[in-house]
This record gives sequence, C-alpha cells and structure tokens, in this order.
Amino acid sequence: DLQMTQFPSSLCASVGDRVTITCQASQDIKRYLNWYHQKPGEAPKFLIYDASNLEIGVPSRFSGSGSGTDFTLTISGLQPEDIGTYYCQQYDKFPLSFGGGTKVEIK
Amino acid sequence: QVQLVESGGGSVKPGRSLRLSCTASGFTFSDHYISWIRQAPGKGLEWVSYLSGGSTIDYYADSVKGRFTVSRDNAKNSVYLQMSSLTVEDTAVYYCARGAGPRLDYWGQGTLVTVSS
Repeated sequence: DLQMTQFPSSLCASVGDRVTITCQASQDIKRYLNWYHQKPGEAPKFLIYDASNLEIGVPSRFSGSGSGTDFTLTISGLQPEDIGTYYCQQYDKFPLSFGGGTKVEIK
Repeated sequence: QVQLVESGGGSVKPGRSLRLSCTASGFTFSDHYISWIRQAPGKGLEWVSYLSGGSTIDYYADSVKGRFTVSRDNAKNSVYLQMSSLTVEDTAVYYCARGAGPRLDYWGQGTLVTVSS
C-alpha cells in the first residue's frame, strides 16, 4: 500500500510568514494528491486537488506544487485562521491514504 | 447547501456491532461516491471505505476489510457503515465525505464511536 509521509509534524510561525509543508509518497503518484486543513474540533476542509489546483473559495495565499513522490503546500503570508493541522492524501490507488499531518501554530 | 450528517455513534463493547448512517442534502446524491474516514482520539485521518454512487464499486482499508460493510439507499440520500467485530482500535470519530472527481469536497461533522469493555 502507498505510504504518505509529511514533515515537519509541527511548526510554529509568525503571522505573515511563509510556511511550507512537505508530503512524500512511497511511490510515484503522478499528481494525484489532495490537501486538507482541519481546525481544532472541526471536520477537515478540502483545499487543493491534483497537487496544485485550489478549490473554489480557498484563499490565494495557499498554493500546492509537486509531482511523482514529492509535494509541497505553501502558505504565503500565514494568517491566524490558518492554525490547525494540514493533511495530504493520495488518490492514485486504493486504499486511499493520508499523511500523518502537520500541525501549524502561531508564535 | 451541501450537508452531510453522521449518526449512530456511541459506546459499545469489544466484539459487538454498530451501524453508522450518513444522510446528505443539497445535491444529487446518486451522482457522488461517498467515503468514510475516521480519526482516533488525538491522531490523524485514516481512510476507511469508498462506495460508488450506484453501489457497484466498493473499497475498504485493510484494517476493516471483512468486518465493515458499506451500503447506500439513494432514495433516502443515505449511506451506511455496518461495523462488526469491533475492537478498541476502532475507537474514533467517523466522518463521511462526498466525493467529486478526485476531491473529498464536503465532510460531515463526524460521529464518535467508542469501543471499550
């Protein structure tokens, strides 16, 4: 089965900082990658599909890139409402699988 | 607006069964696949199952295969997750999510299942 690894597992940054989260697949998944954001106590919210396509309504400070096995999620100008945990998820093959998550906090 | 509401969670002893429901509104239900995803307390997301809009294709995580069965009633806009032989490792919040192409674009708020003796 495909394994997804995220790093760092947590980070602390200031408002306005540029934040980068990395997701690595155990094998080539082309660009079949989603990103989600989960605020504390809430259900996950869908952000990005096909590695780099923003869902409608997602702020433009979010961007995704990568293909094959290495992917990144970037927040260009961290905002207080961006706190929470970010997950990548591959949909190249069943069983679908999520990364372990990256927890983002504000300094 | 699109809405999914899970129900049926609760506390159950190991080895017992439980059925979760996910009831949807605000979209043409049969046009979309539904996935179940769970989250153990303080842990990350774990995909559990997939069911196509017409119920013709289903998939399961290895951790639940043979114990969980997913089904749907499109007339009732509902998907069900029948869980049997539950273990403490099945303790989690269970979410249903609508599938649209590659995206799990709308999620319910989740229902908590606690397996404990």
